[in-house]
Amino acid sequence: GQQLNQSPQSMFIQEGEDVSMNCTSSSIFNTWLWYKQDPGEGPVLLIALYKAGELTSNGRLTAQFGITRKDSFLNISASIPSDVGIYFCAGQRGNKLVFGAGTILRVKS
Amino acid sequence: SAVISQKPSRDICQRGTSLTIQCQVDSQVTMMFWYRQQPGQSLTLIATANQGSEATYESGFVIDKFPISRPNLTFSTLTVSNMSPEDSSIYLCSVVQGAIYEQYFGPGTRLTVT
Repeated sequence: GQQLNQSPQSMFIQEGEDVSMNCTSSSIFNTWLWYKQDPGEGPVLLIALYKAGELTSNGRLTAQFGITRKDSFLNISASIPSDVGIYFCAGQRGNKLVFGAGTILRVKS
Repeated sequence: SAVISQKPSRDICQRGTSLTIQCQVDSQVTMMFWYRQQPGQSLTLIATANQGSEATYESGFVIDKFPISRPNLTFSTLTVSNMSPEDSSIYLCSVVQGAIYEQYFGPGTRLTVT
């Protein structure tokens, strides 16, 4: 079946550092989405990417849709304690999303 | 984006019983979905809730276990039937609104089966 490989699995970083995570796939996707999930909450959409090569920012977050349409990365600049959570990538094909396993972000203050 | 609510937010149920989860959206949406998120895991699509017709289930999920209704464009229910402890998960509904494929999630229903 469709699979997304998301890395790293977890990160423990110092407040103020930049963070990078990525997703790769053996299959092409039409859209890449990045979500953040806090404990006890549903995932919140952070950034949506629609075109190969597209680079999109949302505040301190920047994400790119890989040129091959098989990968995407998310960068968080100058991390703060509230960035803690689980970040999921998702690829869209047809009417469905396929999710990565998630990256757990922990920030040391 | 649409405002999505789910009821109940959490429940503890006994094995062998059934629980119906409601998903209400504050505006009409194009598509509605139901996901399961097992403890410490990612999201797995259960089914697409089709308005006025039977839901479309993913491999590994069947209608007898997870009956779904979607009577209109703003409401859907998911029933978890004949529950076992393995059904303990977070159940999430999500929606797509309009032509642009951005999927938004409800807050989830945390189910514990004892």
